[in-house]
Amino acid sequence: SNVLTQPPSVSVAPGQTARITCGGTNIGRNIVHWYQHKPGQAPVLVVYDTTDRPSGIPERFSGSEYANTATLTISRVEAGDEADYFCHVWDSDIDRGVFGPGTKVTVL
Amino acid sequence: EVLLVESGGGVVRPGGSLRLSCAAAGFRFDDHGMTWVRQVPGKGLEWVSGITWKGDRTGYEDSVKGRFTISRDNTKNTLYLQMNNLRAEDTALYFCARDGSGPHYRGYMDVWGKGSPVTVSS
Repeated sequence: SNVLTQPPSVSVAPGQTARITCGGTNIGRNIVHWYQHKPGQAPVLVVYDTTDRPSGIPERFSGSEYANTATLTISRVEAGDEADYFCHVWDSDIDRGVFGPGTKVTVL
Repeated sequence: EVLLVESGGGVVRPGGSLRLSCAAAGFRFDDHGMTWVRQVPGKGLEWVSGITWKGDRTGYEDSVKGRFTISRDNTKNTLYLQMNNLRAEDTALYFCARDGSGPHYRGYMDVWGKGSPVTVSS
């Protein structure tokens, strides 16, 4: 089954680029989705199907995958991007959804 | 406006029961699979249960199997989670979410509610 790993935190200055990784032994054969979650609010889908961006999400958010690691990249980081970010896959071996532990992005 | 609004949470003693509801608006409810996700205070997101558009297939996280039941009423545009034999470790904020990829519950979740809090404590 999939155990997903994420760095607990990423700090980035405004205008710089934040990269959040999601690792797992089967990431390469899974579709990965990413959510932004701010306290007290509903989570927001920012990337789906590993690389696609929902309508309304800025182009600054992008997704990629290489060598069993999926990456969410936030370019030109803004203060409003400060949040927890979670990756998510469907684990067909155990037939249930799996979330990564989350990464707290802090904008310096 | 596309909306999901959860209700039914509260404080319950260990061994007790609660039924969460999730009212959907602004989209064709029966076009989508639906999912419950929870967040323990201070922790990450945990997938709890999913149901297909017709309600004919469901899935559960191991720790809730046999205790929780997901269901839906497409005539009322409402998703439910019946939670029995609740434990302290079920204390969490429970979100309902729409499967954006269609009628199943294995895809991405593109619409979320704000959550309904459940506290299990003696």
